[in-house]
Amino acid sequence: QVHLVQSGAEVKKPGASVKVSCKASGYTFTNYGISWVRQAPGQGLEWLGWISAFNGHTDYAQKFQGRVTVTTDTSTSTAYMELRSLRSDDTAVYFCGRTRYYYGLGRPSPDAFDIWGQGTMVTISS
Amino acid sequence: QSVLTQPPSASGTPGQRVTISCSGSSSNIESNTVNWYQQLPGMAPKLLIYSNNQRPSGVPDRFSGSKSGTSASLAISGLQSEDEADYYCAAWDDSLNGYVFGTGTKVTVL
Repeated sequence: QVHLVQSGAEVKKPGASVKVSCKASGYTFTNYGISWVRQAPGQGLEWLGWISAFNGHTDYAQKFQGRVTVTTDTSTSTAYMELRSLRSDDTAVYFCGRTRYYYGLGRPSPDAFDIWGQGTMVTISS
Repeated sequence: QSVLTQPPSASGTPGQRVTISCSGSSSNIESNTVNWYQQLPGMAPKLLIYSNNQRPSGVPDRFSGSKSGTSASLAISGLQSEDEADYYCAAWDDSLNGYVFGTGTKVTVL
């Protein structure tokens, strides 16, 4: 059974950083990527970035460039998303998603997110 | 602000057919494959359609996807009460060098 299990809820102060983990099981970790998507209360889905677990290639949404870092630890099949300089509007549920990808123009690009983690609530409050 | 536009809501009675549109541009829908996600209340999203019109294992054939030019559509035929959810289209955008989601459509079963 394929699973992605995320770390627990976090409460952070403005200006702090948060690091959310996503542990994969049931498949060969390096055959896929991991994407991170967030959903603010009552809002839609917003993509933050992704990483190829095969070669570590990353892409980030322009909005989060310089503030987010996505990494993997292939020895434990775990992906991490760190978001820095937190603001109140970063309050959201953060999801990880197993990412199918394809190669175009000599680089991997994410396609579909076929398995999702349960979500991690991150609350920013002073 | 999303670059993929969907109607905010759609509705139908049980058994009816409902269609959701997703409008994009040459840098996303026209040049890349479209995926659709279903999000039930309080749950994580679920992949519903990938590569424009392919269903993952376990997704009923009541759900179908299509794409033409800079637009895509999701159709739900034989609407059921358990289809009440939010639906999002998504695609890679070559200009933004990022993955973009649609604005989302809430489907209500009357």
